[in-house]
Amino acid sequence: DTGVSQNPRHKITKRGQNVTFRCDPISEHNRLYWYRQTLGQGPEFLTYFQNEAQLEKSRLLSDRFSAERPKGSFSTLEIQRTEQGDSAMYLCASRISEAHLSGANVLTFGAGSRLTVL
Amino acid sequence: KQEVTQIPAALSVPEGENLVLNCSFTDSAIYNLQWFRQDPGKGLTSLLLIQSSQREQTSGRLNASLDKSSGRSTLYIAASQPGDSATYLCAVLEITSGTYKYIFGTGTRLKVLA
Repeated sequence: DTGVSQNPRHKITKRGQNVTFRCDPISEHNRLYWYRQTLGQGPEFLTYFQNEAQLEKSRLLSDRFSAERPKGSFSTLEIQRTEQGDSAMYLCASRISEAHLSGANVLTFGAGSRLTVL
Repeated sequence: KQEVTQIPAALSVPEGENLVLNCSFTDSAIYNLQWFRQDPGKGLTSLLLIQSSQREQTSGRLNASLDKSSGRSTLYIAASQPGDSATYLCAVLEITSGTYKYIFGTGTRLKVLA
């Protein structure tokens, strides 16, 4: 298992364009999270999936943001009509919630996808 | 609304010193607390996880304690090394309406001088 994988690692785009980020969690992890982090700040919660169900979405996430996790495996985060304020590191994390399993509840992060909007 | 605060925001120490990083949270109804390390431009690496029923966890030179009633956790780093230089973040897992969400502090930027 190679851990949580995020692609692309870096994305530079012009304002108004759409971008999509992909996250491949650890295979047996049923819970998947998206966070956004700007310089000098802690990660801010964006949204959360349990298997394929999106259970919570932050009010930080405007209508331009959408996330999916089809079949409870990989997840995508799409930003439409990007704005300069969307420039940030987008972090994906996953965990397994079954308490009897090794590593249960340890949140594992990917390396992040850095977005720069010009 | 849960708020997580980390003090100090930045810390610079000489190599070999023992140090303590602090994390406080406003709502004691947490499921667990996790400490992470983040190197510049990288993702977060989990260091220690403390379940709400536990008081402390240890891994090598790291020891984390949890006092739920007072809303505090500390991360103790023994015999610091230049390789420990990074930002350290704490996060609490809270349960709201059946969903599990991690709330992060803003971190402590640590620099260990050789």
